[in-house]
Amino acid sequence: DVKVTQSSRYLVKRTGEKVFLECVQDMDHENMFWYRQDPGLGLRLIYFSYDVKMKEKGDIPEGYSVSREKKERFSLILESASTNQTSMYLCASTQPPGLWKFFGPGTRLTVL
Amino acid sequence: QKEVEQNSGPLSVPEGAIASLNCTYSDRGSQSFFWYRQYSGKSPELIMSIYSNGDKEDGRFTAQLNKASQYVSLLIRDSQPSDSATYLCAVEFSGGYNKLIFGAGTRLAVHP
Repeated sequence: DVKVTQSSRYLVKRTGEKVFLECVQDMDHENMFWYRQDPGLGLRLIYFSYDVKMKEKGDIPEGYSVSREKKERFSLILESASTNQTSMYLCASTQPPGLWKFFGPGTRLTVL
Repeated sequence: QKEVEQNSGPLSVPEGAIASLNCTYSDRGSQSFFWYRQYSGKSPELIMSIYSNGDKEDGRFTAQLNKASQYVSLLIRDSQPSDSATYLCAVEFSGGYNKLIFGAGTRLAVHP
């Protein structure tokens, strides 16, 4: 069964900490995406990647960076965590043309 | 800014009734449209995709697309309490890199 996995289901961090969220897919997909989900706002695109070492900003990239050193792994980095980054973070992967069905289980991040 | 709009609800329907969920989008060039179901604390689950004008049926679900009106809907026939969830409309926006943009979601409550 194909899978998208995320490194943690729940994470609690302090303001100012550097936070790494990891996403791994086993489907050899080229495209990977990071979203955050907040009540009443749906899923908002943070960053995406269409190839190894390639990245593109989504709609809300401020305060985040990403890394894709290997095709199967896409990392989201919070350089200095802030309380307004408390959210559910969801990773997705697709193979063009987009079959948008592969989401990870999500990481609920709380920044205190 | 490319947008996808949904009524937040909650939409409350009795068991056995038809639930009708609506979505509008801003980009006339969009070609691919998706409906997801999301239970509380879980990641989105793809339930329907539609690419051409008209209706597409899958079991109790029917997706309807009208590109001229930039409108896509989801009908759930014979609604069950287990259908109670948040339904997310998503549109794949083209132009450069394809991205999936979500609406804020409509919360559906099916009561016995």
